[in-house]
Parts: sequence; C-alpha cells; structure tokens
Amino acid sequence: AQSVAQPEDQVNVAEGNPLTVKCTYSVSGNPYLFWYVQYPNRGLQFLLKYITGDNLVKGSYGFEAEFNKSQTSFHLKKPSALVSDSALYFCAVRGQGSGNTGKLIFGQGTTLQVKP
Amino acid sequence: GAVVSQHPSWVICKSGTSVKIECRSLDFQATTMFWYRQFPKQSLMLMATSNEGSKATYEQGVEKDKFLINHASLTLSTLTVTSAHPEDSSFYICSARDELADSYNEQFFGPGTRLTVL
Repeated sequence: AQSVAQPEDQVNVAEGNPLTVKCTYSVSGNPYLFWYVQYPNRGLQFLLKYITGDNLVKGSYGFEAEFNKSQTSFHLKKPSALVSDSALYFCAVRGQGSGNTGKLIFGQGTTLQVKP
Repeated sequence: GAVVSQHPSWVICKSGTSVKIECRSLDFQATTMFWYRQFPKQSLMLMATSNEGSKATYEQGVEKDKFLINHASLTLSTLTVTSAHPEDSSFYICSARDELADSYNEQFFGPGTRLTVL
C-alpha cells in the first residue's frame, strides 16, 4: 500500500535560517512526489514535484527538495526562511505503473512557523 | 493556466438539506477530477475520483448515496451532500488533472468550499 509520512506536526524556524520539512514515502515502483502548501481556508498550492531526472528539484518561492531513493525520502528545504512561509505543508505521492488512477496520497501535513 | 475554481466558497445550511458544490477546470479539460475532505488542521482525505461520462469511484468508507458526484462535462464536476448533518461540516476541496499537458502528473486544486451544517 502507498503511504506518506511527515514525522513532524510542526517545525519552528527563525526568519533567515534554513528550514527542512521532512517526508518519507512508501510506494510500489517508482514514485511521483509532490509538495504543496496551504494557507488558512485556502486550497493547495503546488510547490514542486519529482518525476524523474535530477534528485534535487527546485520549485516555487525558493523551495527545493531532494529525492533520496535509498532512504525513500523527499525532504523540503529552503536556505533562508521568511515569515510569509508560515503555512501548512503537505507531501504527496502517487505510484507509477499501469492501473494507477492518478490519485495522490497525502501526508498528515506539517505546520511551518517562521518567527521574526 | 491550469486554474480550478469551486463554487460556492462557503455555504451554511440547515440539517437535512442538500448542498451542491461545483468544481470547474477553467482553462483545460479534465476527464478526471478528485474530491477531498479536510478537517481542521488535518490532512486531505480522498473521497472519490470523478470520471467524466461514467460513475465516480468512491474510496472505502465513503457513502456514495450520501455524497453524489456527477461529472457531466470535461470541465465540470459536482459534489452533492445529501441530507446534510452537522458531522458533514468540513472543508471540501476538488482537484483536476490536465491530461493533455506535460503537467499531466500534477493535480491542480480548487480553493475549497467551507460547508457548515447547523
């Protein structure tokens, strides 16, 4: 069965410091991996994705993520956090292969709090 | 491009009434749309996969007679919460895939609909 784990309910970072939001996954076959951000009472905004190719993926708003197949991880990172980055972040996975309906499996979400 | 809208953005209704939520892909065609439910500070729970021109595929534990899904065109899917009760109060989010684009692996999300049942 496919699953995604975000082990931290909340991550606290000081503005200007680097941030990491962790994600590990379990999927049969090669994964498609995604990060989304959600602001209060809003839908999800796409940040970045890994489909194939370079393990380091760069996305919106200065975020990046590194696909690590051996550790089955896809941690989200940013070199210098902004207060405006404070939001709820979701990691998601879908499996490749025939018969896949395209549905995403989401992690439980991590609240990022960036303090001035 | 790849914009998904939802209507209404919020709705308050009385217990026992039915509520319809629309999900539209504004600038692309979507044969597949997805409906999610989200409780406060929790993750998204996939309710069903909406398939244009055919029956929706519901996830285990989701009552198909309670949550009616219709995907009558390539740009519109509707979710009707029938005989709503307070426990149906939630944030409902739809998403769609642009299967003709290079971004076909992505899902584009609507802004969500906040349903409150009194």
